[in-house]
Amino acid sequence: QQQVKQSPQSLIVQKGGISIINCAYENTAFDYFPWYQQFPGKGPALLIAIRPDVSEKKEGRFTISFNKSAKQFSLHIMDSQPGDSATYFCAASTGGNEKLTFGTGTRLTIIP
Amino acid sequence: GAVVSQHPSRVICKSGTSVKIECRSLDFQATTMFWYRQFPKQSLMLMATSNEGSKATYEQGVEKDKFLINHASLTLSTLTVTSAHPEDSSFYICSVIPSQGYEQYFGPGTRLTVT
Repeated sequence: QQQVKQSPQSLIVQKGGISIINCAYENTAFDYFPWYQQFPGKGPALLIAIRPDVSEKKEGRFTISFNKSAKQFSLHIMDSQPGDSATYFCAASTGGNEKLTFGTGTRLTIIP
Repeated sequence: GAVVSQHPSRVICKSGTSVKIECRSLDFQATTMFWYRQFPKQSLMLMATSNEGSKATYEQGVEKDKFLINHASLTLSTLTVTSAHPEDSSFYICSVIPSQGYEQYFGPGTRLTVT
């Protein structure tokens, strides 16, 4: 019930391409869905987040698509760059000051 | 985003000793802080929720007597790993949430190695 399933585990995308990472959840009480980017040896950095009242949110090259009925959300990275190579985690929580449930992570590699 | 600091960034200690890790929120007061542990190539695992002025709430399977958490002020939480063993070697990361917000900001992490 508390799980967030993330796929793929790893992803290789050519420079300039679109990177797509997917997450699915079961707990319908989740109402906050952030994505984090983590470089080796560093803490996760908040990339973008969405609430269920909208179906899409875009910030620069990063877009979250949210499908409430399917209980799925995804991260799209447009014009992927080598500097985007990192591990990406989706997460979900049930409200302010509540703990996050993390997905298993996706290791993204952007090749020239 | 908010600035969260952790100290030390790396620590090596001998088996059986205790290690204290500090987490500071530099931009805002945080009534709630979280402590995570992350093993290589794995996701973040929540250890406990730290609330200012009250006892921490530990996740199932986390030994509260081994991982002591103190949230003495609205900007500082500490995690003490007592009687550390090699299996406690991991990357420990804290996070904070502003009192009125949803967004959770993470510290840079502390690499603990127990020899």
